[in-house]
Amino acid sequence: QLVLTQSPSASASLGASVKLTCTLSSGHSSYAIAWHQQQPEKGPQFLMKLNPDGSHIKGDGIPDRFSGSSSGAERYLTISRLHSDDDADYYCQTWGTGPRVFGGGTKLAVL
Amino acid sequence: QVQLVQSGPEVKKPGTSVKVSCKASGLTFSTSAVQWVRQARGQRLEWIGWIVLGSDKTNYAQRFQERVTISRDMSTSTAYMELSSLTSDDTAVYYCAADDMTTMFWGQGTLVTVS
Repeated sequence: QLVLTQSPSASASLGASVKLTCTLSSGHSSYAIAWHQQQPEKGPQFLMKLNPDGSHIKGDGIPDRFSGSSSGAERYLTISRLHSDDDADYYCQTWGTGPRVFGGGTKLAVL
Repeated sequence: QVQLVQSGPEVKKPGTSVKVSCKASGLTFSTSAVQWVRQARGQRLEWIGWIVLGSDKTNYAQRFQERVTISRDMSTSTAYMELSSLTSDDTAVYYCAADDMTTMFWGQGTLVTVS
Protein backbone atom coordinates (compact mmCIF):
# COMPACT_ATOMS: atom_id res chain seq x y z
CA GLN A 1 0.00 0.00 0.00
CA LEU A 2 1.27 3.42 -1.01
CA VAL A 3 1.85 5.56 2.08
CA LEU A 4 3.78 8.81 2.51
CA THR A 5 5.16 9.48 5.99
CA GLN A 6 6.03 12.94 7.31
CA SER A 7 7.05 14.08 10.76
CA PRO A 8 4.10 15.96 12.32
CA SER A 9 6.16 18.96 13.37
CA ALA A 10 9.45 20.76 12.90
CA SER A 11 10.92 24.03 14.08
CA ALA A 12 13.80 26.28 13.13
CA SER A 13 14.94 29.82 13.78
CA LEU A 14 14.38 32.85 11.62
CA GLY A 15 17.17 33.05 9.05
CA ALA A 16 18.22 29.42 9.53
CA SER A 17 17.63 26.43 7.24
CA VAL A 18 15.39 23.43 7.67
CA LYS A 19 15.09 20.12 5.84
CA LEU A 20 11.71 18.37 5.81
CA THR A 21 11.40 14.70 4.95
CA CYS A 22 8.75 12.66 3.15
CA THR A 23 9.26 8.89 3.11
CA LEU A 24 7.65 6.65 0.51
CA SER A 25 6.48 3.22 1.62
CA SER A 26 8.38 0.09 0.67
CA GLY A 27 8.31 -0.72 -3.02
CA HIS A 28 7.44 2.83 -4.06
CA SER A 29 10.85 4.50 -4.10
CA SER A 30 10.58 5.33 -7.82
CA TYR A 31 7.69 7.75 -7.34
CA ALA A 32 7.93 11.45 -8.05
CA ILE A 33 6.19 13.68 -5.55
CA ALA A 34 4.91 17.20 -5.20
CA TRP A 35 5.56 19.51 -2.26
CA HIS A 36 2.81 21.94 -1.24
CA GLN A 37 2.80 24.75 1.31
CA GLN A 38 -0.30 25.80 3.22
CA GLN A 39 -0.04 28.97 5.26
CA PRO A 40 -2.52 29.47 8.13
CA GLU A 41 -6.08 30.08 6.97
CA LYS A 42 -5.05 29.87 3.28
CA GLY A 43 -5.34 27.33 0.52
CA PRO A 44 -2.44 25.11 -0.55
CA GLN A 45 0.25 26.40 -2.88
CA PHE A 46 2.31 24.17 -5.16
CA LEU A 47 6.03 24.45 -4.41
CA MET A 48 7.64 21.88 -6.70
CA LYS A 49 7.57 18.55 -8.42
CA LEU A 50 10.45 16.40 -7.14
CA ASN A 51 11.73 13.42 -9.12
CA PRO A 52 13.45 10.29 -7.73
CA ASP A 53 16.80 11.51 -9.07
CA GLY A 54 16.48 14.78 -7.13
CA SER A 55 15.72 16.97 -10.12
CA HIS A 56 12.83 19.31 -9.47
CA ILE A 57 10.61 21.84 -11.18
CA LYS A 58 9.34 24.67 -9.05
CA GLY A 59 6.03 26.42 -9.32
CA ASP A 60 5.59 29.96 -10.56
CA GLY A 61 7.19 32.51 -8.28
CA ILE A 62 8.66 30.04 -5.79
CA PRO A 63 11.89 31.58 -4.43
CA ASP A 64 15.32 30.00 -4.77
CA ARG A 65 15.31 29.50 -0.98
CA PHE A 66 13.14 26.42 -1.61
CA SER A 67 14.90 23.36 -3.01
CA GLY A 68 14.30 19.63 -3.24
CA SER A 69 16.42 16.51 -3.17
CA SER A 70 15.93 12.73 -3.09
CA SER A 71 17.68 9.69 -1.68
CA GLY A 72 16.14 6.27 -2.17
CA ALA A 73 12.62 6.41 -0.77
CA GLU A 74 13.20 9.76 0.91
CA ARG A 75 12.12 13.06 -0.59
CA TYR A 76 13.37 16.27 0.98
CA LEU A 77 12.32 19.88 1.01
CA THR A 78 14.99 22.32 2.15
CA ILE A 79 14.08 25.89 3.01
CA SER A 80 17.00 28.27 3.46
CA ARG A 81 17.11 31.69 5.13
CA LEU A 82 13.78 31.12 6.84
CA HIS A 83 11.24 33.93 6.77
CA SER A 84 8.36 34.36 9.19
CA ASP A 85 5.85 33.51 6.46
CA ASP A 86 7.47 30.11 5.97
CA ASP A 87 5.60 29.22 9.17
CA ALA A 88 3.12 26.84 7.53
CA ASP A 89 2.06 23.25 6.92
CA TYR A 90 3.99 21.35 4.29
CA TYR A 91 2.48 18.38 2.48
CA CYS A 92 4.03 15.89 0.11
CA GLN A 93 1.87 14.11 -2.46
CA THR A 94 2.59 11.38 -4.98
CA TRP A 95 2.68 12.44 -8.60
CA GLY A 96 1.75 9.98 -11.30
CA THR A 97 -1.06 8.31 -13.15
CA GLY A 98 -2.36 6.33 -10.18
CA PRO A 99 -3.87 7.45 -6.87
CA ARG A 100 -2.32 10.69 -5.62
CA VAL A 101 -1.78 10.11 -1.93
CA PHE A 102 -0.93 12.86 0.56
CA GLY A 103 1.41 12.59 3.48
CA GLY A 104 0.10 13.67 6.87
CA GLY A 105 1.82 17.04 6.65
CA THR A 106 4.54 18.71 8.69
CA LYS A 107 3.76 21.81 10.70
CA LEU A 108 6.81 24.06 10.54
CA ALA A 109 7.26 26.63 13.28
CA VAL A 110 9.65 29.48 12.55
CA LEU A 111 10.95 30.69 15.89
CA GLN B 1 -1.32 32.93 -16.38
CA VAL B 2 -3.27 29.94 -15.16
CA GLN B 3 -6.32 30.55 -12.98
CA LEU B 4 -8.76 28.06 -11.50
CA VAL B 5 -12.01 29.58 -10.28
CA GLN B 6 -14.29 27.41 -8.20
CA SER B 7 -18.00 27.76 -7.56
CA GLY B 8 -19.33 29.34 -4.39
CA PRO B 9 -20.08 27.92 -0.94
CA GLU B 10 -22.80 25.33 -0.53
CA VAL B 11 -25.03 24.28 2.34
CA LYS B 12 -26.57 20.84 1.90
CA LYS B 13 -28.85 18.53 3.84
CA PRO B 14 -27.63 15.06 4.85
CA GLY B 15 -28.37 12.47 2.20
CA THR B 16 -28.28 14.91 -0.70
CA SER B 17 -25.56 15.60 -3.29
CA VAL B 18 -23.29 18.52 -4.09
CA LYS B 19 -21.62 19.44 -7.38
CA VAL B 20 -18.63 21.79 -7.31
CA SER B 21 -17.17 23.33 -10.45
CA CYS B 22 -13.66 24.45 -11.33
CA LYS B 23 -13.24 26.71 -14.36
CA ALA B 24 -9.76 26.98 -15.87
CA SER B 25 -8.22 29.77 -17.85
CA GLY B 26 -4.72 30.02 -19.29
CA LEU B 27 -4.39 26.23 -19.13
CA THR B 28 -3.97 23.84 -22.03
CA PHE B 29 -7.03 21.92 -20.96
CA SER B 30 -6.60 18.99 -23.31
CA THR B 31 -3.14 18.04 -21.96
CA SER B 32 -3.85 18.55 -18.27
CA ALA B 33 -5.33 16.67 -15.35
CA VAL B 34 -7.51 18.00 -12.54
CA GLN B 35 -7.58 16.54 -9.08
CA TRP B 36 -10.03 17.17 -6.26
CA VAL B 37 -8.87 17.41 -2.66
CA ARG B 38 -10.73 18.24 0.52
CA GLN B 39 -9.80 19.50 3.95
CA ALA B 40 -11.98 19.42 7.02
CA ARG B 41 -11.27 22.19 9.53
CA GLY B 42 -7.97 21.58 11.29
CA GLN B 43 -7.35 18.37 9.37
CA ARG B 44 -4.93 17.21 6.70
CA LEU B 45 -5.43 17.36 2.95
CA GLU B 46 -7.37 14.37 1.61
CA TRP B 47 -7.24 13.25 -2.03
CA ILE B 48 -10.61 12.47 -3.61
CA GLY B 49 -9.77 11.67 -7.24
CA TRP B 50 -8.66 13.09 -10.56
CA ILE B 51 -9.53 13.23 -14.23
CA VAL B 52 -7.25 13.36 -17.26
CA LEU B 53 -9.01 16.02 -19.25
CA GLY B 54 -8.09 14.92 -22.77
CA SER B 55 -8.98 11.25 -22.35
CA ASP B 56 -11.75 11.63 -19.74
CA LYS B 57 -10.00 8.92 -17.69
CA THR B 58 -10.73 9.07 -13.97
CA ASN B 59 -9.16 7.63 -10.83
CA TYR B 60 -10.90 7.78 -7.44
CA ALA B 61 -9.71 7.20 -3.91
CA GLN B 62 -11.14 3.94 -2.69
CA ARG B 63 -13.08 5.50 0.17
CA PHE B 64 -15.00 7.77 -2.22
CA GLN B 65 -15.35 5.32 -5.09
CA GLU B 66 -19.04 4.58 -4.53
CA ARG B 67 -20.30 8.14 -4.26
CA VAL B 68 -18.06 10.52 -6.23
CA THR B 69 -18.14 11.45 -9.91
CA ILE B 70 -15.53 13.69 -11.49
CA SER B 71 -16.27 15.01 -14.97
CA ARG B 72 -15.30 17.78 -17.34
CA ASP B 73 -16.73 19.98 -20.07
CA MET B 74 -14.06 20.66 -22.68
CA SER B 75 -16.15 23.38 -24.34
CA THR B 76 -16.07 25.54 -21.20
CA SER B 77 -12.73 24.32 -19.72
CA THR B 78 -14.57 23.32 -16.57
CA ALA B 79 -14.12 20.32 -14.30
CA TYR B 80 -16.75 19.09 -11.84
CA MET B 81 -16.81 17.01 -8.69
CA GLU B 82 -20.12 15.58 -7.52
CA LEU B 83 -20.36 13.87 -4.13
CA SER B 84 -23.54 12.05 -3.13
CA SER B 85 -25.05 10.65 0.09
CA LEU B 86 -23.63 13.53 2.08
CA THR B 87 -23.13 13.32 5.84
CA SER B 88 -21.82 15.83 8.35
CA ASP B 89 -18.38 14.23 7.92
CA ASP B 90 -18.31 15.66 4.39
CA THR B 91 -18.27 19.22 5.72
CA ALA B 92 -14.97 20.57 4.39
CA VAL B 93 -13.29 22.93 1.98
CA TYR B 94 -13.04 21.28 -1.43
CA TYR B 95 -10.15 22.25 -3.72
CA CYS B 96 -9.42 21.56 -7.34
CA ALA B 97 -5.87 21.56 -8.65
CA ALA B 98 -4.74 21.25 -12.25
CA ASP B 99 -1.41 19.98 -13.49
CA ASP B 100 0.28 19.37 -16.82
CA MET B 101 2.65 16.74 -15.36
CA THR B 102 5.33 19.36 -14.56
CA THR B 103 3.59 22.06 -12.55
CA MET B 104 0.36 22.49 -10.65
CA PHE B 105 -2.12 25.24 -9.85
CA TRP B 106 -4.75 25.29 -7.10
CA GLY B 107 -8.24 26.72 -7.04
CA GLN B 108 -9.36 28.98 -4.20
CA GLY B 109 -11.47 26.33 -2.48
CA THR B 110 -15.21 25.83 -1.97
CA LEU B 111 -16.72 25.41 1.49
CA VAL B 112 -19.35 22.68 1.59
CA THR B 113 -21.37 22.52 4.79
CA VAL B 114 -23.63 19.54 5.45
CA SER B 115 -26.20 20.35 8.08
